[in-house]
Amino acid sequence: GAGVSQSPRYKVAKRGQDVALRCDPISGHVSLFWYQQALGQGPEFLTYFQNEAQLDKSGLPSDRFFAERPEGSVSTLKIQRTQQEDSAVYLCASSRPGSTDTQYFGPGTRLTVL
Amino acid sequence: AQKVTQAQTEISVVEKEDVTLDCVYETRDTTYYLFWYKQPPSGELVFLIRRNSFDEQNEISGRYSWNFQKSTSSFNFTITASQVVDSAVYFCALSERETSGSRLTFGEGTQLTVNP
Repeated sequence: GAGVSQSPRYKVAKRGQDVALRCDPISGHVSLFWYQQALGQGPEFLTYFQNEAQLDKSGLPSDRFFAERPEGSVSTLKIQRTQQEDSAVYLCASSRPGSTDTQYFGPGTRLTVL
Repeated sequence: AQKVTQAQTEISVVEKEDVTLDCVYETRDTTYYLFWYKQPPSGELVFLIRRNSFDEQNEISGRYSWNFQKSTSSFNFTITASQVVDSAVYFCALSERETSGSRLTFGEGTQLTVNP
C-alpha cells in the first residue's frame, strides 16, 4: 500500500483483557516505531525496530506491553491485562533505512479500556 | 534531556489571517532534526517538514513557511492567508542523533482553528 496501515482502527476492551494491535509499514521501510498518544497530548515514544531487531524499548510503560516484528515487516503491539490508563491512540510510524529519516505515520488505533 | 515546548495550546483566527505557531526545543546534541506534523480531526499525523541542525535556511512551501533559529532554539511555523482546511493540531518534534537515537520527542501540540 501507499502508506502505513493499522488495524483495528478502534478497539474496546474490558479491563483485564489482552489486546493486539497491528501495524503494516510502508513497503521497503526498515525502521518501525510505536507511539502512544493520550487525549490532548503529543505522541510519546514506546519502542523502535530496525528490521526484526527491537533496538529500543525504553518507552514501554510496563511489562504488560510487548511488541514484535518477527519477519521485519508487520509489527504487533500487545498489551496484556489492560488497564484503564492504557486507553489512548496507538500510532505506528515507519521510515527508510537511516536512523533519522522522516517517520511516516499510520492512522492509529484508538483503544478504550472499560 | 530533550524537550519540545509549544506554548500556544489553542489559536483561533479568521480565514485569510496569517498565523505563527511557536516551537522551542532543548537538546545537548550538536546533530539533531526538527519536524512539523499536522494532525487533522481524522487523527493521522501528516508530515510537513524536516530540518537538520546544520541548515538554518528558512523554507517556504506555498502558504507555509518555517523560521529556524539556533540562537534562540526555535523552529516556528507560519501559515499565510489561512484557510478553514488548515484547522488541525500541529506538532513540533525533535530527533537527536546521538543521545536518543531515532525516537521523536513531540511538543504538546497547538490546536489551530480557522473560522470562515
